[in-house]
Amino acid sequence: EVQLVESGGGLVKPGGSLRLSCVASGFTFNSYTMNWVRQAPGKGLEWVSSISSGGLNVYNADSVKGRFTISRDNAKNSLYLQLESLRAEDTAVYYCARSNPFDSWGQGTLVTVSS
Amino acid sequence: DIQMTQSPSTLSASVGDRVTITCRASQSIGTWLAWYQQKPGKAPNLLIYKASSLQIGVPSRFSGSGSGTEFTLTISSLQPDDFATYYCQQYDTYWTFGQGTKVEIK
Repeated sequence: EVQLVESGGGLVKPGGSLRLSCVASGFTFNSYTMNWVRQAPGKGLEWVSSISSGGLNVYNADSVKGRFTISRDNAKNSLYLQLESLRAEDTAVYYCARSNPFDSWGQGTLVTVSS
Repeated sequence: DIQMTQSPSTLSASVGDRVTITCRASQSIGTWLAWYQQKPGKAPNLLIYKASSLQIGVPSRFSGSGSGTEFTLTISSLQPDDFATYYCQQYDTYWTFGQGTKVEIK
């Protein structure tokens, strides 16, 4: 069974940093593109970042370019999202999702940016 | 950037109704279109990919059609479990979601 488990969310002040993790199991992690998607409270889905199976190709939404960094460690079956220079509008549940399109999702981790 | 526009934003329907949701892309995306269902407090679930292919495990009452810039998701006979929010997503050039369509009980 495919499982994706996110962690690392929490309350952070504007301008602060956070690192999200997603641990995968139940499939060959290093064969799949992986993604981050976020959802602000009461709002729709927003694609954030994607990374190719080997980690060579990275794509970011304009809204997070220069502030968020996606990475992966295939030896640890893990996906990461480093969040820097956080703003109130980054407050959201952050989901990791597998493949293209996104055929499996984690349960999400909540990031709250507030002073 | 490719924009995705869904209509309607909210849809009121009854169990057994045939329901259709429309998604329009700001430029042609071929058939690189997916549909997701999301229930409150839960992660989205992939229903349809490549515009009309049913994801494994998804009931056959869900179907998708379209190509280019116009797409539809149809639920042939609405069931109680189908009251949820539905999103389209293009994956032709990067990834963009529509704003969502909430299907509520009439």
